[in-house]
Amino acid sequence: NAGVTQTPKFQVLKTGQSMTLQCAQDMNHEYMSWYRQDPGMGLRLIHYSVGAGITDQGEVPNGYNVSRSTTEDFPLRLLSAAPSQTSVYFCASRPQNGKELNTQYFGPGTRLTVL
Amino acid sequence: AQSVTQPDIHITVSEGASLELRCNYSYGATPYLFWYVQSPGQGLQLLLKYFSGDTLVQGIKGFEAEFKRSQSSFNLRKPSVHWSDAAEYFCAVGPPDSNYQLIWGAGTKLIIKP
Repeated sequence: NAGVTQTPKFQVLKTGQSMTLQCAQDMNHEYMSWYRQDPGMGLRLIHYSVGAGITDQGEVPNGYNVSRSTTEDFPLRLLSAAPSQTSVYFCASRPQNGKELNTQYFGPGTRLTVL
Repeated sequence: AQSVTQPDIHITVSEGASLELRCNYSYGATPYLFWYVQSPGQGLQLLLKYFSGDTLVQGIKGFEAEFKRSQSSFNLRKPSVHWSDAAEYFCAVGPPDSNYQLIWGAGTKLIIKP
């Protein structure tokens, strides 16, 4: 199992550019989520999904879009990058039931800088 | 409002000394409780979790945590730290159901003195 993978690891954008952060998991987890991590603020939930075709907003969804066409993939799209979106982005997944319900697996993160 | 507080932004401990990282939460019912660790430049790894039952839970890497309902706390402990424990530690809570969303503390950065 590769677990949760994220690409790219680093990205620099100019204000107004768009891009997609990729996230994939091979554990057949129903639940996937995107967080951003900023110094002194812990992790904040951007969007999440409880299965293919189902997505919902988290705490800080503005400026981001997601879709979930397959169980494995959960890309995060920045529509028009702003300097306030400079952050480290983490994708995570977990099952919705069973004994692993309570264990969330994280990807290695994408460090994004918006100039 | 639901919240998680980690009162210490940084903690410095000598190698071999004991460690306690504090976590307090504000929640309507007994939540799921978690501690995660993040090594520099890495993702987050689950250290331990509490759902119900025995209030002292054991985790990986020699860590343990104790749930104290009366104090709304879930403090992380280790009897003797190693230099490799230098990392950032996050406490998180979530409602006890399958669609839980985690609420995260701001993290405590652990610095180990040789």
